[in-house]
Amino acid sequence: GIQVEQSPPDLILQEGANSTLRCNFSDSVNNLQWFHQNPWGQLINLFYIPSGTKQNGRLSATTVATERYSLLYISSSQTTDSGVYFCAVRPGSGYALNFGKGTSLLVTP
Amino acid sequence: KAGVTQTPRYLIKTRGQQVTLSCSPISGHRSVSWYQQTPGQGLQFLFEYFSETQRNKGNFPGRFSGRQFSNSRSEMNVSTLELGDSALYLCASSLVVSAYEQYFGPGTRLTVT
Repeated sequence: GIQVEQSPPDLILQEGANSTLRCNFSDSVNNLQWFHQNPWGQLINLFYIPSGTKQNGRLSATTVATERYSLLYISSSQTTDSGVYFCAVRPGSGYALNFGKGTSLLVTP
Repeated sequence: KAGVTQTPRYLIKTRGQQVTLSCSPISGHRSVSWYQQTPGQGLQFLFEYFSETQRNKGNFPGRFSGRQFSNSRSEMNVSTLELGDSALYLCASSLVVSAYEQYFGPGTRLTVT
């Protein structure tokens, strides 16, 4: 099956810092989503981005489908950004979202 | 528009029992997928329903089953519970099939003792 690798696995930032999270995948995809999992377990949609670039406030994402990677940028981080960020992809020949292991982010005051 | 809802939010069961979890998708969404999240295995796909039919199934034993009703609400059932079934069960809905953006519910946290 498709492999989804996220890096770094853990990240500690001071409030106000910027960060880049990476997602590499091993096959062509027709769906790529970034999620933030809150402390209660809910997956919050950040971006639906099988290709191209999108921005939403302090967050932006870029997917280069031909090179099989996606990047999530967090600028001016806040303590409320803490949590686990997941990248999930649906391969062109598949039918389910395949999740990476996530990046655990801690933003300290 | 209301989001995906799941009930119950927390559940404690004993080995050997069975459990039924419920998921109501976003209004107008016709596809419902179920995922299991454990610390060891991460997030894994269980199955997807569309138009009351199971379209796809992940690599889980037959003890895991589900169904979808005409109003797109879905239930999943786990029979003969094992300790390893303790997990967060997440339901996701999408407009048509899973290639479209999926939206997740808050999850049901199941503990098997």
